Amino acid sequence: AQSVTQPDIHITVSEGASLELRCNYSYGATPYLFWYVQSPGQGLQLLLKYFSGDTLVQGIKGFEAEFKRSQSSFNLRKPSVHWSDAAEYFCAVGAGNTPLVFGKGTRLSVIA
Amino acid sequence: DAGVIQSPRHEVTEMGQEVTLRCKPISGHDYLFWYRQTMMRGLELLIYFNNNVPIDDSGMPEDRFSAKMPNASFSTLKIQPSEPRDSAVYFCASSSDRGRGGGGELFFGEGSRLTVL
Repeated sequence: AQSVTQPDIHITVSEGASLELRCNYSYGATPYLFWYVQSPGQGLQLLLKYFSGDTLVQGIKGFEAEFKRSQSSFNLRKPSVHWSDAAEYFCAVGAGNTPLVFGKGTRLSVIA
Repeated sequence: DAGVIQSPRHEVTEMGQEVTLRCKPISGHDYLFWYRQTMMRGLELLIYFNNNVPIDDSGMPEDRFSAKMPNASFSTLKIQPSEPRDSAVYFCASSSDRGRGGGGELFFGEGSRLTVL
């Protein structure tokens, strides 16, 4: 069965600074990989996804993620964070006929 | 196009009462999932359906929880009797197969926040 680890529970960055949120997965084959964002009181919204092909994936709101098979990672990045990016971010891994498994989430705070 | 619709958005009830949460998936999606989110345990998959048939309910905490999907456009999650430890946000999500089984992209509703006093 697949599993996901998000090592950082909470990250604080300054507005305008770059951001990288870490995600490591465990699965024997090539997984489907996702990043979701959750604002307070809202459901989860898809930021980006990787199924196959180019390992650098562009998403909405200026986010990107890179699939690195050798490191079993799918880290999320943004070159310049905006205050509106403050939210909870979830990495998820899917594999064939089994439902997505979600990480515990990383809470992002943005300071002026 | 309408997304996943959940009701009620908020529910406050007393211990021992029956709670019914409702979900309308996106039209054409053949997978439906119920998740529970708490601070302590994060997002937990409770049960999921494929073409209205329950596939895996191993995440349902105990017999007090039950879920049904009588047709492709409606599902319910019922808790009877409810307990304070059931307080959480319950999310419904739907997905289409596209050859990826249950492991494809999920579309989430806005959740039902349940408080059991």
